[in-house]
Amino acid sequence: GDSVTQMEGPVTLSEEAFLTINCTYTATGYPSLFWYVQYPGEGLQLLLKATKADDKGSNKGFEATYRKETTSFHLEKGSVQVSDSAVYFCALSDGTGGFKTIFGAGTRLFVKA
Amino acid sequence: EADIYQTPRYLVIGTGKKITLECSQTMGHDKMYWYQQDPGMELHLIHYSYGVNSTEKGDLSSESTVSRIRTEHFPLTLESARPSHTSQYLCASSEPGGIYNSPLHFGNGTRLTVT
Repeated sequence: GDSVTQMEGPVTLSEEAFLTINCTYTATGYPSLFWYVQYPGEGLQLLLKATKADDKGSNKGFEATYRKETTSFHLEKGSVQVSDSAVYFCALSDGTGGFKTIFGAGTRLFVKA
Repeated sequence: EADIYQTPRYLVIGTGKKITLECSQTMGHDKMYWYQQDPGMELHLIHYSYGVNSTEKGDLSSESTVSRIRTEHFPLTLESARPSHTSQYLCASSEPGGIYNSPLHFGNGTRLTVT
């Protein structure tokens, strides 16, 4: 079945450091890919998405490119801020799976001032 | 700002009590979902609905039940709460039309503690 694997955390960075959170997926069809963010005490929010190969999703300085050849959707940000401290979830949605969303296990990011 | 509302935000209750977690959305979405989030953060789909009078069990077995009598309302009920039900419960919805690239919209969750 479909699955998402993302790097384990926690990830601890200093402010203005470069961020990469790795995400790879397995899917039988042609999924859409998402990154969601969860701030403390809140639900998940959509951060960015990509619906087909080579698409780049971007939002709030975060970017991720849909790489079909490597089945990856790594999240990057050039300069993190303390306010980026949160849990990040990679996810896929595949129409062949009944339109359900499959989530990775989440990666907690701490950014120090 | 959330267009999907969950109440209560926090609930502490004794073993054996019946509870209902409320979830409402104002976006007219057909599809709604309940996820259980364990302390390790992982999300498990426990129920979903494709519209009024449609409910399905998710990937994680759950003793809870759901109903979908109105499009905007998707409550989750535990008939007899147990300490193993202690968790965070997240409600979500997604746009109609059957397109699988619709993202999920989440509420802020209910954190349930059963003593």
